[in-house]
Amino acid sequence: DAGVTQSPTHLIKTRGQHVTLRCSPISGHKSVSWYQQVLGQGPQFIFQYYEKEERGRGNFPDRFSARQFPNYSSELNVNALLLGDSALYLCASSAPGTRREQYFGPGTRLTVT
Amino acid sequence: GENVEQHPSTLSVQEGDSAVIKCTYSDSASNYFPWYKQELGKRPQLIIDIRSNVGEKKDQRIAVTLNKTAKHFSLHITETQPEDSAVYFCAAWNQAGTALIFGKGTTLSVSS
Repeated sequence: DAGVTQSPTHLIKTRGQHVTLRCSPISGHKSVSWYQQVLGQGPQFIFQYYEKEERGRGNFPDRFSARQFPNYSSELNVNALLLGDSALYLCASSAPGTRREQYFGPGTRLTVT
Repeated sequence: GENVEQHPSTLSVQEGDSAVIKCTYSDSASNYFPWYKQELGKRPQLIIDIRSNVGEKKDQRIAVTLNKTAKHFSLHITETQPEDSAVYFCAAWNQAGTALIFGKGTTLSVSS
């Protein structure tokens, strides 16, 4: 079974640009969550999507948005990039149901210069 | 808001010793507590979890204990090996059940 996959692996952007990150969940998983992990810190919750609907949103500005597609894959978009957006962006998927185990993808390392 | 505190931030042990990492949580409604291991440059990997209806769970050399009254849970690693060296994160679901709230992590170093 393939695990959670994310693309791209690495990305370098300039301040003010926008970025789109992609995630494919484990087959059969309908929930996708996005987390930001700054170096030396634990992951911080950005969004949760379930059955293509936003179910939760963390304390991030409106520059961050996401969506989930009919095949349960997901995109995270960040507009007007700031230096502070440099981080590892992790996607996690979980099986249907509440408070289920979350399995993480390898992440996308975003560097904003 | 919900909060998870994790101690210690760094832990150094000799190979074969035991290691214990402790976490406390603030939301009394939390009922699921996973532990993740993250090696340098890699994804967090779920290594063990516990739900609030049990007090202890073991999987070979690792175990997790939960004290719901005190709102804390701990990871125990016995007979540590160099490959156990990594950053370990504890987490708990938020009240809405939409997000895992993570501790700040413990860097475990096992020297041979």
